[in-house]
Amino acid sequence: EVQLVETGGGLIQPGGSLRLSCAASGFTVSSNSMSWFRQAPGKGLECVSVLYSGDDTYYTDSVKGRITISRDNSKNTLNLQMNSLRPEDTAVYYCARGLAAPGMMVFPFDHWGQGTLVTVSS
Amino acid sequence: EMVMTQSPATLSVSPGERATLSCRASQSVSINLAWYQQKPGQAPRLLIYDASTRATGIPARFSGTGSGTEFTLTISSLQSEDFAVYYCQQYNIWPPRFTFGQGTKLEIK
Repeated sequence: EVQLVETGGGLIQPGGSLRLSCAASGFTVSSNSMSWFRQAPGKGLECVSVLYSGDDTYYTDSVKGRITISRDNSKNTLNLQMNSLRPEDTAVYYCARGLAAPGMMVFPFDHWGQGTLVTVSS
Repeated sequence: EMVMTQSPATLSVSPGERATLSCRASQSVSINLAWYQQKPGQAPRLLIYDASTRATGIPARFSGTGSGTEFTLTISSLQSEDFAVYYCQQYNIWPPRFTFGQGTKLEIK
């Protein structure tokens, strides 16, 4: 059974850093395209970053230079290093698996974790 | 920049009736369009992808149509568990990538 479990969220002051992790089971992270999405309180969904199976990456404009997506193959996890956090980064962060064959760049997301809340506030 | 627009924002329907939700893309996304269901406090759940393909385990009462810029999600006979927020998402290579609509809240009439 495919399962994704996010950890690492919490309350952080503006300008601070957090590292989110997404532990995967039932499949191999390195063989799949993976993404981080976020949802601000009462708002819609936004794609923050994507790590494609071929190692290409995508970042939405508002996080470029502040956020880095990576995978740890030994732990079968997807990570998101977030620096210089801003109040507008406050959201529930979800990791998700792309429903994609290797090399595909267009795909939906078929499995999602339950999310971890990041609150940026002084 | 790609913009996805869903209508209506809120839809009130009685159990057993049909619900029709719309999604419009500002530029063509071909059939690279998915629909997700989200209940309060839960993660999104993939319902439909490639505009009309049901995801694994999704009941046949959910169907999707459309291509290019106009898409529709139809729920043929609403069950109590179907009342939720529905999002469309384009996954064509338009920036920003993997863009969602603002959602349609399906509520009990």
